[in-house]
Amino acid sequence: DGGITQSPKYLFRKEGQNVTLSCEQNLNHDAMYWYRQDPGQGLRLIYYSQIVNDFQKGDIAEGYSVSREKKESFPLTVTSAQKNPTAFYLCASSIDRVSTEAFFGQGTRLTVV
Amino acid sequence: GQNIDQPTEMTATEGAIVQINCTYQTSGFNGLFWYQQHAGEAPTFLSYNVLDGLEEKGRFSSFLSRSKGYSYLLLKELQMKDSASYLCAVKGETGGFKTIFGAGTRLFVKA
Repeated sequence: DGGITQSPKYLFRKEGQNVTLSCEQNLNHDAMYWYRQDPGQGLRLIYYSQIVNDFQKGDIAEGYSVSREKKESFPLTVTSAQKNPTAFYLCASSIDRVSTEAFFGQGTRLTVV
Repeated sequence: GQNIDQPTEMTATEGAIVQINCTYQTSGFNGLFWYQQHAGEAPTFLSYNVLDGLEEKGRFSSFLSRSKGYSYLLLKELQMKDSASYLCAVKGETGGFKTIFGAGTRLFVKA
């Protein structure tokens, strides 16, 4: 079955530690995205990638980093520089940047203690 | 600035009809989306409007008026499983790429 997979579903980390969230898709999509969702707020774009080895900052990129070494994979690292990292993180993909539909992973809930 | 407004919460009765409104102000417009999101889960695509008018898909319909910066999602014959958040999102013009999401409307369906 084609889809987009995020792992793990729940993640706990101590303050000051970097943590990497996994996102894999087998839909052969060129475009991939990372969003952050906080209670009472809409999804906010962290980073996006239109093609392998290319990515761009979204609206709230500070304290985050990404890589796109393979078409299927777009991992997100939450660094210690991110001041408020506890949130629900959603990865998405679309055929290309102008596609009308994005497919979302199941999300990773990150809690920093 | 860019902004999407939708009500925070709504309550409706099983079997009834509910309309969830969305107003937007964005720099450019390349289409409006509605997504459904159950608590703790991924958003799933419901509809896409780029031209004015009504798009019907089973029990769900979505309407767009570009001149008014307004859309609504209409849910008919409500079922308990329709209890979820409904996200309105607009694809802006810059690069045809960035999608701006509203905060979502949490719908409670009661028996």
